[in-house]
Amino acid sequence: DAKTTQPNSMESNEEEPVHLPCNHSTISGTDYIHWYRQLPSQGPEYVIHGLTSNVNNRMASLAIAEDRKSSTLILHRATLRDAAVYYCILRDNTGGFKTIFGAGTRLFVKA
Amino acid sequence: DSGVTQTPKHLITATGQRVTLRCSPRSGDLSVYWYQQSLDQGLQFLIQYYNGEERAKGNILERFSAQQFPDLHSELNLSSLELGDSALYFCASSVGGHSNQPQHFGDGTRLSIL
Repeated sequence: DAKTTQPNSMESNEEEPVHLPCNHSTISGTDYIHWYRQLPSQGPEYVIHGLTSNVNNRMASLAIAEDRKSSTLILHRATLRDAAVYYCILRDNTGGFKTIFGAGTRLFVKA
Repeated sequence: DSGVTQTPKHLITATGQRVTLRCSPRSGDLSVYWYQQSLDQGLQFLIQYYNGEERAKGNILERFSAQQFPDLHSELNLSSLELGDSALYFCASSVGGHSNQPQHFGDGTRLSIL
């Protein structure tokens, strides 16, 4: 199963943009890149996903490198409610449909 | 509110016992996933069902079993419980089982083994 690498933690100021990086150098052509976040005492929450093109939704933007070996989750204006652990994961239809979560990045947001 | 319902929210039991965790997926979702989250292991994928059939298996112990019923709800059975089974157990659901579909998670069941 392809793995992802993320920084253990990052810090941001409130109302500033946040760029959360993820490396996935062993990604295969059929792997989708998904991002989830987990707020304290809650289950993981879907944020965004993509395959090759950049994606935008109401929560965030996902920028995918041209070689697909890395991606960046962009929160355009961080709020205190965005403080969470962010997971970047790869999912494919050929590897038994497993979903492998890494350790994620803990995002701290300062007021 | 993700629309995924897990019961019970908390469960306290003793070693050697057996428990059943229940999950109701979002309306219309055919696929159910089970995860275990402990402090030292992070989120571990256990098993996935799609429309009643097992689709994928992860790090699920032989003492654990699951099933998805015709009404699409799912149960995770944990038997011969050990102290190390203490964890948060999450259920997630998705419309289908494919990799381009997001999973929606419940709030989890916290299992404590005494």
